[in-house]
Amino acid sequence: AQRVTQPEKLLSVFKGAPVELKCNYSYSGSPELFWYVQYSRQRLQLLLRHISRESIKGFTADLNKGETSFHLKKPFAQEEDSAMYYCALSETNRDDKIIFGKGTRLHILP
Amino acid sequence: DTGVSQDPRHKITKRGQNVTFRCDPISEHNRLYWYRQTLGQGPEFLTYFQNEAQLEKSRLLSDRFSAERPKGSFSTLEIQRTEQGDSAMYLCASSPPSIRETQYFGPGTRLLVL
Repeated sequence: AQRVTQPEKLLSVFKGAPVELKCNYSYSGSPELFWYVQYSRQRLQLLLRHISRESIKGFTADLNKGETSFHLKKPFAQEEDSAMYYCALSETNRDDKIIFGKGTRLHILP
Repeated sequence: DTGVSQDPRHKITKRGQNVTFRCDPISEHNRLYWYRQTLGQGPEFLTYFQNEAQLEKSRLLSDRFSAERPKGSFSTLEIQRTEQGDSAMYLCASSPPSIRETQYFGPGTRLLVL
């Protein structure tokens, strides 16, 4: 069964320190992986997807098929990065459901 | 605001009552999705429409839940005989016709069943 695991409920990081939000997935095929973010009082929005291979707001994520991981990284945390982050996957070439992890709350300390 | 809109934003109801939520997708988005999010969890897929056709339903969608998208534009999600376990945030999302397009989420409707 498809599953997305985010082992950390809460991650506190000092401003300027590196950030890594962990995500592991379980899927027999080749999924499409995403990171969604929800800032305080805002709606859920896409941060990045692995097929785009782009850096958004300084964040990057590399798909590691051997370790079935898609960790989100940023070299220097900023206070505005404080938010809820969800790792998610969908089946390749399908447009129906997205399967979300439980989310990690990132708290940037001043 | 041309994003996905949902109405109402909050709903408090008594157990056993019926409730209906509405979602207006971004115009020209032919795909529409409903998710449910409970406290401490990520969104869970409920159902998906392509135009007016309901193409997939999750096992989470019991017989008390029904969703419609009659003209391929807005959608409604109805819960009959609500239970306390139905208390959650109900999220709607839409996406354009092409494969691999991003899903854009609405602000959600928060339901509390007393």
